[in-house]
This record gives sequence, structure tokens and C-alpha cells, in this order.
Amino acid sequence: NAGVTQTPKFQVLKTGQSMTLQCAQDMNHNSMYWYRQDPGMGLRLIYYSASEGTTDKGEVPNGYNVSRLNKREFSLRLESAAPSQTSVYFCASRMASGQPQHFGDGTRLSIL
Amino acid sequence: RKEVEQDPGPFNVPEGATVAFNCTYSNSASQSFFWYRQDCRKEPKLLMSVYSSGNEDGRFTAQLNRASQYISLLIRDSKLSDSATYLCVVTAASGGSYIPTFGRGTSLIVHP
Repeated sequence: NAGVTQTPKFQVLKTGQSMTLQCAQDMNHNSMYWYRQDPGMGLRLIYYSASEGTTDKGEVPNGYNVSRLNKREFSLRLESAAPSQTSVYFCASRMASGQPQHFGDGTRLSIL
Repeated sequence: RKEVEQDPGPFNVPEGATVAFNCTYSNSASQSFFWYRQDCRKEPKLLMSVYSSGNEDGRFTAQLNRASQYISLLIRDSKLSDSATYLCVVTAASGGSYIPTFGRGTSLIVHP
């Protein structure tokens, strides 16, 4: 069972470059989420998609955009990467609001 | 006041000890509660849901106290393999959606 799949697993960018982090789930979940995790800060919500066709800002959306491409896929884009965006990014999904989230194994992103 | 607060620890306990963590939340309308385990910045993995009546899974017991707005996790007979960071998650309504909010985690170190 694949669950939640994130690509790439590691990436190094230069300041100002752009890239898209990909996330796909095969559990037919309705909601999908993007988090970043920094030392001492815990998981912070960047954007979420409560259902196919909707996206909303989370706690730290600045510098990011998202696309819910279909029910399975939810991508996160950095248009002009900054060193402050160096982090570990996790994608998660869940079926409904009372259900737990399932996480991908993360993307380690470094911006020089 | 943060929405979800945890003592970061670390809790340093010997094998076989019993250890308990609390997690307080500020939104009295919070609806669902979970404990996750995270190893060395790998992805968080669901440990257990937390139900109003309390629930047990092997050596792990979770409790919810709505009146005092906290959830707890009790680990009995600690194993070396229990060493990890334990994250509590609280879901509350926000703008028509139910958003999970993570605590920053409590670090547990079990030593021989």
C-alpha cells in the first residue's frame, strides 16, 4: 500500500529558483494538507484542501502556492525560493474531519 | 496562548517506567483528538485516537478531559523503542473547515 507519496525526497535549490513539491494519495481521501517542520517549531500548516476543487491558507502560506489537481494529487509550489523556506515538508491526507491524517515521508528542502 | 501546548521535555526514563504526557488546548469547541509518534524527523505516525471515555491500546492509554481542556497519554512498562517525540493533535472548526492543529511535541528518551 503506497498511502501518501511525496516527491522528491531531497532537493537543494538556489535562492530565487522555483520548484513544485508533489503529493499523491491512493486512499480516496477527501482532504489534503501541506506542512513544514522546523526545529523547535513543530508542524505548521501551509495550505490545505478540504475537498477536491478547494484550497485554503493555513498558518504560514506566504511564499507558497498550491494546486489540488484532482482528488489524488495536491502540489505545493515555491515561486521564488528563499533561505527561510529551508525545511522539511510533509504532505498529509484524511478521509473526513473526525479521522486521523496519514503522512507522506517528507521532502527535505535546502535553499542556499 | 498557543492553541495546543505540550511540555517539550525531554522526559528521560529507565526501561520499565511509567510515563505520562499532557497536552492542553485552548478551543473549547475542539472535536477530535489524536496522539502521533515521530522518530528523528521522519513522518508522524498515528499512535492512537483519543475518545471521551478514554481508550487503551496495549501499554498505551489515552484520556480526554473536556472540562479542563487537556488530553493525556500514559505509557506503561517503557521500552527502549518508545524513545521518540509524541505529538498531540486537536481538530477544531475554522472558517467552515475542521483544521488539525499540532502541538510542538514531547520528547521521550528511554534508557537501559
